[in-house]
Amino acid sequence: DAGVIQSPRHEVTEMGQEVTLRCKPISGHNSLFWYRQTMMRGLELLIYFNNNVPIDDSGMPEDRFSAKMPNASFSTLKIQPSEPRDSAVYFCASSLVGGKNSPLHFGNGTRLTVT
Amino acid sequence: DAKTTQPTSMDCAEGRAANLPCNHSTISGNEYVYWYRQIHSQGPQYIIHGLKNNETNEMASLIITEDRKSSTLILPHATLRDTAVYYCIGPYFGNEKLTFGTGTRLTIIP
Repeated sequence: DAGVIQSPRHEVTEMGQEVTLRCKPISGHNSLFWYRQTMMRGLELLIYFNNNVPIDDSGMPEDRFSAKMPNASFSTLKIQPSEPRDSAVYFCASSLVGGKNSPLHFGNGTRLTVT
Repeated sequence: DAKTTQPTSMDCAEGRAANLPCNHSTISGNEYVYWYRQIHSQGPQYIIHGLKNNETNEMASLIITEDRKSSTLILPHATLRDTAVYYCIGPYFGNEKLTFGTGTRLTIIP
């Protein structure tokens, strides 16, 4: 079991640039979650998908953020244009939903720095 | 918003049992309580979850009160590697989104 794989591990970009974060969930999992973590706000849920369909995107901060899940094995979180306040660690998690025994499995995150 | 209350921080001596409390007074009958931990610079890691019976796995034990309004996570023999932020998540049912609070920062003292 390779776990949830996120790339890149670190991203440094300049304000105004487009940033794309990638996630490969655990094979067989049917739900995928994007979280953002900062010192000030802790862990925040941005969006989650069930069977590749976005279920709740109420945590997405602005229209500059968008997420897609074109298939069961891949998701992207895009920020366009990026701003310094977007600097954070972004985590992707997946789970096998359909019962109550559905722990989330997290990746190791992408540390984004926007200068 | 998270519907749980945890102490901000705790210390525990290495080799001793670490007992981390959590209050979830609004929990209803079919809602699970989950525990995760986050070691510095890593993603949160699932530890254990329970509904109403006490649970044990290779990592920890979970004691849930009879009224289910609080629980305690027990790390039986704490090691330095158990230093982390521990999150009690709940109530959580099935497909609902998981909201993390601020957790308890546990420091294991040599």
